[in-house]
Amino acid sequence: SQQGEEDPQALSIQEGENATMNCSYKTSINNLQWYRQNSGRGLVHLILIRSNEREKHSGRLRVTLDTSKKSSSLLITASRAADTASYFCATDTGRRALTFGSGTRLQVQP
Amino acid sequence: DVKVTQSSRYLVKRTGEKVFLECVQDMDHENMFWYRQDPGLGLRLIYFSYDVKMKEKGDIPEGYSVSREKKERFSLILESASTNQTSMYLCASSFYRGSGNQPQHFGDGTRLSIL
Repeated sequence: SQQGEEDPQALSIQEGENATMNCSYKTSINNLQWYRQNSGRGLVHLILIRSNEREKHSGRLRVTLDTSKKSSSLLITASRAADTASYFCATDTGRRALTFGSGTRLQVQP
Repeated sequence: DVKVTQSSRYLVKRTGEKVFLECVQDMDHENMFWYRQDPGLGLRLIYFSYDVKMKEKGDIPEGYSVSREKKERFSLILESASTNQTSMYLCASSFYRGSGNQPQHFGDGTRLSIL
Protein backbone atom coordinates (compact mmCIF):
# COMPACT_ATOMS: atom_id res chain seq x y z
CA SER A 1 0.00 0.00 0.00
CA GLN A 2 1.14 3.55 -0.60
CA GLN A 3 2.30 6.32 1.69
CA GLY A 4 -0.72 8.32 2.76
CA GLU A 5 -3.89 6.24 2.74
CA GLU A 6 -7.22 7.76 3.65
CA ASP A 7 -9.95 6.01 5.51
CA PRO A 8 -12.82 5.64 4.83
CA GLN A 9 -12.84 5.65 1.04
CA ALA A 10 -16.35 7.12 1.06
CA LEU A 11 -18.47 8.81 3.70
CA SER A 12 -22.07 9.97 3.57
CA ILE A 13 -23.55 12.17 6.30
CA GLN A 14 -26.38 14.60 6.89
CA GLU A 15 -25.95 18.37 6.94
CA GLY A 16 -25.02 19.58 10.39
CA GLU A 17 -23.16 16.39 11.34
CA ASN A 18 -19.41 16.18 11.79
CA ALA A 19 -17.23 14.37 9.26
CA THR A 20 -14.00 12.66 10.24
CA MET A 21 -11.44 11.35 7.77
CA ASN A 22 -8.24 9.57 8.64
CA CYS A 23 -4.88 9.31 6.96
CA SER A 24 -2.14 6.79 7.71
CA TYR A 25 1.39 6.92 6.39
CA LYS A 26 4.52 4.79 6.59
CA THR A 27 7.68 6.88 6.77
CA SER A 28 8.70 9.89 8.84
CA ILE A 29 7.42 13.23 7.61
CA ASN A 30 8.31 16.93 7.68
CA ASN A 31 4.69 17.94 7.35
CA LEU A 32 1.30 16.61 6.32
CA GLN A 33 -1.18 18.53 4.22
CA TRP A 34 -4.88 18.16 3.50
CA TYR A 35 -6.49 19.08 0.20
CA ARG A 36 -10.01 19.22 -1.13
CA GLN A 37 -11.15 18.50 -4.67
CA ASN A 38 -14.55 19.38 -6.04
CA SER A 39 -15.80 17.20 -8.86
CA GLY A 40 -13.96 17.89 -12.11
CA ARG A 41 -11.68 20.51 -10.59
CA GLY A 42 -8.14 20.75 -9.28
CA LEU A 43 -7.14 20.30 -5.67
CA VAL A 44 -7.27 23.14 -3.19
CA HIS A 45 -4.99 23.28 -0.17
CA LEU A 46 -6.82 23.31 3.18
CA ILE A 47 -4.29 23.03 5.97
CA LEU A 48 -0.67 22.09 6.69
CA ILE A 49 0.46 20.56 9.97
CA ARG A 50 4.15 20.20 10.79
CA SER A 51 5.65 17.11 12.36
CA ASN A 52 6.16 18.91 15.68
CA GLU A 53 2.53 20.03 15.89
CA ARG A 54 -0.29 17.92 17.31
CA GLU A 55 -3.37 19.88 16.37
CA LYS A 56 -4.34 22.72 14.09
CA HIS A 57 -7.58 24.56 13.41
CA SER A 58 -8.89 26.55 10.49
CA GLY A 59 -12.50 27.66 10.65
CA ARG A 60 -14.61 24.49 10.81
CA LEU A 61 -11.59 22.29 10.13
CA ARG A 62 -9.57 20.56 12.80
CA VAL A 63 -6.52 18.48 11.96
CA THR A 64 -4.64 16.26 14.37
CA LEU A 65 -1.33 14.53 13.87
CA ASP A 66 0.03 11.58 15.82
CA THR A 67 3.56 10.87 14.62
CA SER A 68 3.94 7.88 16.94
CA LYS A 69 1.03 6.19 15.17
CA LYS A 70 1.87 7.74 11.80
CA SER A 71 -1.65 8.99 11.39
CA SER A 72 -3.64 12.18 10.95
CA SER A 73 -7.30 13.02 11.03
CA LEU A 74 -9.36 15.78 9.45
CA LEU A 75 -12.55 16.79 11.21
CA ILE A 76 -15.12 19.00 9.51
CA THR A 77 -17.63 20.28 12.03
CA ALA A 78 -21.24 21.22 11.26
CA SER A 79 -20.94 20.03 7.68
CA ARG A 80 -22.76 21.70 4.82
CA ALA A 81 -23.86 20.43 1.42
CA ALA A 82 -21.10 22.59 -0.06
CA ASP A 83 -18.52 20.44 1.77
CA THR A 84 -19.31 17.59 -0.63
CA ALA A 85 -15.97 16.81 -2.27
CA SER A 86 -13.02 14.44 -2.18
CA TYR A 87 -10.41 15.01 0.50
CA PHE A 88 -6.78 14.01 0.19
CA CYS A 89 -3.89 13.90 2.58
CA ALA A 90 -0.37 14.48 1.28
CA THR A 91 2.89 13.79 3.07
CA ASP A 92 6.21 15.60 2.82
CA THR A 93 8.82 12.91 3.38
CA GLY A 94 11.86 15.00 2.52
CA ARG A 95 11.94 14.63 -1.24
CA ARG A 96 11.04 17.75 -3.13
CA ALA A 97 7.50 16.55 -3.84
CA LEU A 98 4.46 15.46 -1.88
CA THR A 99 2.95 11.99 -1.87
CA PHE A 100 -0.83 11.94 -2.11
CA GLY A 101 -3.23 9.30 -0.88
CA SER A 102 -6.20 7.99 -2.82
CA GLY A 103 -8.72 10.22 -1.03
CA THR A 104 -12.01 10.10 0.84
CA ARG A 105 -15.21 10.98 -1.03
CA LEU A 106 -17.50 12.93 1.26
CA GLN A 107 -21.17 13.32 0.46
CA VAL A 108 -23.17 15.70 2.64
CA GLN A 109 -26.91 15.24 2.26
CA PRO A 110 -29.00 18.43 2.61
CA ASP B 1 -5.12 35.64 -6.75
CA VAL B 2 -2.73 32.81 -7.52
CA LYS B 3 -3.32 30.99 -10.75
CA VAL B 4 -2.22 27.81 -12.45
CA THR B 5 -3.58 27.53 -15.96
CA GLN B 6 -3.70 24.36 -18.00
CA SER B 7 -4.07 24.85 -21.72
CA SER B 8 -7.01 22.49 -22.28
CA ARG B 9 -9.84 21.13 -20.09
CA TYR B 10 -10.62 18.30 -22.50
CA LEU B 11 -8.45 16.73 -25.18
CA VAL B 12 -8.99 13.79 -27.52
CA LYS B 13 -6.03 12.27 -29.37
CA ARG B 14 -5.25 9.10 -31.26
CA THR B 15 -2.82 6.35 -30.33
CA GLY B 16 0.69 7.03 -31.53
CA GLU B 17 0.27 10.79 -31.59
CA LYS B 18 2.69 13.08 -29.78
CA VAL B 19 0.68 15.03 -27.21
CA PHE B 20 1.64 18.25 -25.46
CA LEU B 21 -0.01 19.41 -22.24
CA GLU B 22 0.88 22.93 -21.18
CA CYS B 23 0.82 24.52 -17.75
CA VAL B 24 1.54 28.12 -16.77
CA GLN B 25 1.74 29.62 -13.28
CA ASP B 26 1.88 33.29 -12.36
CA MET B 27 3.24 33.00 -8.81
CA ASP B 28 6.98 32.84 -9.50
CA HIS B 29 7.08 29.36 -7.94
CA GLU B 30 10.27 27.36 -8.19
CA ASN B 31 8.56 23.98 -8.18
CA MET B 32 6.17 22.61 -10.76
CA PHE B 33 4.56 19.18 -10.92
CA TRP B 34 2.61 16.92 -13.23
CA TYR B 35 0.25 14.28 -11.84
CA ARG B 36 -2.20 11.88 -13.30
CA GLN B 37 -5.36 11.01 -11.44
CA ASP B 38 -7.24 7.76 -11.97
CA PRO B 39 -10.24 6.45 -10.01
CA GLY B 40 -9.18 4.60 -6.87
CA LEU B 41 -5.49 5.44 -7.38
CA GLY B 42 -5.38 9.02 -6.19
CA LEU B 43 -2.76 11.36 -7.60
CA ARG B 44 0.41 9.84 -8.94
CA LEU B 45 3.44 11.99 -9.63
CA ILE B 46 4.79 11.79 -13.17
CA TYR B 47 7.56 14.41 -13.19
CA PHE B 48 8.49 17.52 -11.31
CA SER B 49 10.85 20.42 -11.78
CA TYR B 50 12.50 22.62 -9.18
CA ASP B 51 14.18 25.06 -11.56
CA VAL B 52 14.35 26.07 -15.18
CA LYS B 53 15.71 23.23 -17.32
CA MET B 54 15.77 20.93 -14.29
CA LYS B 55 13.53 17.89 -14.04
CA GLU B 56 13.12 14.91 -11.76
CA LYS B 57 11.29 11.66 -12.39
CA GLY B 58 8.30 11.02 -10.22
CA ASP B 59 6.71 7.67 -9.49
CA ILE B 60 5.36 6.87 -12.98
CA PRO B 61 7.55 8.62 -15.60
CA GLU B 62 7.44 5.89 -18.25
CA GLY B 63 5.97 7.08 -21.52
CA TYR B 64 6.24 10.74 -20.57
CA SER B 65 8.76 13.54 -20.81
CA VAL B 66 8.72 17.17 -19.68
CA SER B 67 10.16 20.51 -20.63
CA ARG B 68 10.74 23.61 -18.55
CA GLU B 69 12.35 26.34 -20.62
CA LYS B 70 10.88 29.22 -18.58
CA LYS B 71 10.15 29.42 -14.89
CA GLU B 72 6.42 29.93 -15.35
CA ARG B 73 5.82 27.15 -17.89
CA PHE B 74 6.00 23.38 -17.51
CA SER B 75 5.03 21.07 -20.36
CA LEU B 76 4.16 17.40 -20.25
CA ILE B 77 4.81 15.39 -23.40
CA LEU B 78 3.38 12.03 -24.30
CA GLU B 79 5.90 10.83 -26.86
CA SER B 80 3.60 8.25 -28.46
CA ALA B 81 0.18 8.26 -26.86
CA SER B 82 -1.37 4.95 -25.81
CA THR B 83 -4.85 4.13 -24.58
CA ASN B 84 -3.56 3.45 -21.06
CA GLN B 85 -2.60 7.11 -20.84
CA THR B 86 -6.25 8.12 -20.90
CA SER B 87 -6.58 9.98 -17.62
CA MET B 88 -7.04 13.29 -15.82
CA TYR B 89 -3.76 15.23 -15.77
CA LEU B 90 -3.17 17.82 -13.09
CA CYS B 91 -0.46 20.45 -12.97
CA ALA B 92 0.62 22.11 -9.73
CA SER B 93 3.21 24.58 -8.51
CA SER B 94 4.69 25.61 -5.17
CA PHE B 95 7.45 27.44 -3.42
CA TYR B 96 10.14 25.42 -1.74
CA ARG B 97 11.50 26.44 1.62
CA GLY B 98 14.19 24.75 3.67
CA SER B 99 11.53 23.85 6.23
CA GLY B 100 9.79 21.54 3.77
CA ASN B 101 7.36 21.39 0.91
CA GLN B 102 4.93 24.26 0.82
CA PRO B 103 1.27 24.03 -0.24
CA GLN B 104 0.75 23.25 -3.88
CA HIS B 105 -1.55 25.23 -6.16
CA PHE B 106 -3.35 23.22 -8.79
CA GLY B 107 -4.80 23.87 -12.20
CA ASP B 108 -8.26 22.55 -13.05
CA GLY B 109 -6.88 19.58 -14.94
CA THR B 110 -6.92 18.23 -18.49
CA ARG B 111 -9.10 15.23 -19.16
CA LEU B 112 -7.23 13.41 -21.90
CA SER B 113 -8.77 10.62 -23.95
CA ILE B 114 -6.62 8.50 -26.23
CA LEU B 115 -8.62 6.64 -28.87
